[in-house]
Formats: sequence, structure tokens, C-alpha cells
Amino acid sequence: AQSVTQLDSQVPVFEEAPVELRCNYSSSVSVYLFWYVQYPNQGLQLLLKYLSGSTLVKGINGFEAEFNKSQTSFHLRKPSVHISDTAEYFCAVVKGNNFNKFYFGSGTKLNVKP
Amino acid sequence: DGGITQSPKYLFRKEGQNVTLSCEQNLNHDAMYWYRQDPGQGLRLIYYSQIVNDFQKGDIAEGYSVSREKKESFPLTVTSAQKNPTAFYLCATVTSGRENYNEQFFGPGTRLTVL
Repeated sequence: AQSVTQLDSQVPVFEEAPVELRCNYSSSVSVYLFWYVQYPNQGLQLLLKYLSGSTLVKGINGFEAEFNKSQTSFHLRKPSVHISDTAEYFCAVVKGNNFNKFYFGSGTKLNVKP
Repeated sequence: DGGITQSPKYLFRKEGQNVTLSCEQNLNHDAMYWYRQDPGQGLRLIYYSQIVNDFQKGDIAEGYSVSREKKESFPLTVTSAQKNPTAFYLCATVTSGRENYNEQFFGPGTRLTVL
């Protein structure tokens, strides 16, 4: 079974509209959760992370995500997107039984239209 | 200027040739990783190393080899045994400090094309 599922492979949205990118994980142990952004032909940049504490996490570029343990989700949101947010977004999980291994989702391509 | 350097950015090789991808870091991170990225498949772990002179296979290690002789360097060799080597390869390091525990940093990537 997949450890991380990003159901939406592509999300088109108009500029200044809100967006939510979905991420669900499977784990029977505690987790650390991450969202990364990748621009074409570049490496990944960390947007935000959840390690512990408040379930609402704020990141760079106006993004935020909420850890929902009961729904095993960590959806990424932005209230108003810009053209420059067009990129691919990856959700990642580290499980408490092996902190050395990162599990990545298959990615969601966000396409912001003018 | 701290960071992770991967070279070259683009690499072309003939089928059947071995090729080595470079990854260097000056972040003083202990752990280093190699991932392969294919369209629509996210990142798949090839190898990782937590300390010098030690490394472990990831999910798709067949056809690849690594070495970790220095903390700063973790080169990846794509051998002729790798059936479909054309892909985007990403190197990453992981922090071990208490405040930023497990934060993963990525290099800019190398796009390998086998002709």
C-alpha cells in the first residue's frame, strides 16, 4: 500500500483563487509530514513541515497545511494563488519507526491561469 | 555559500556505458540520499548514507552503486545493468540538529539521457 497518496495529479486554478492540494498518508506509527515545491528542472524546496505541536502549519509563500490525524491527511492550502505558484508540489512522510526514510507522493502539478 | 552541488546539470551517455553523477555538500549534514524522479511517479529512493563509509539500498538500487568516502561527497554510478537509466536524479541531505530534525535539503538535480 502507498504510504503517501496525492490523488490529484493536476490542479488548474485561476489567479487569485484559493487552492487546496490533497495529501493522505498511511501509517500505524507517528509521522513527520512535509510539503515541497519543485519548479521545472530544479530540485525540491521545503514549503512547510509538521513535526509536533499545533496542527496548523504555516509555510513560505503564503501556504499553510493542517495535520488531521483522524483523517490521516495533510492538505496544503493557499487563499489566493499567483501565476508564480505554478509548479509541482510533493507531499512527504517520515514514519516514527524509521526516521531515515522519506516517502514521497507522486506529486500534484498546480497550473495557475491568468 | 552553503548548499548542495550536483554536476553536471545535463548528461548524455550512450547505452551500455557507466556514468557517475556528482553530489557535494558543505552543509555538514551526516545523511545523504539519492533519488530518481520520473514523470508522474514522484521520487524513488535509490541509496542513502547516514555516515561516512556506510550506505544502504533504497527501493530501486538495482543497476546503481554509490560510495561515501568523505562526509561532503556521495557520488552515484549508473551502471550498464540499469535497464532504463534516463531520468532526473536528485541528491539530498538531511539535518540532524534538534530544532530542524529531519529536514531534507535537495540539490538542483542532474538530468541523465541515455541515447
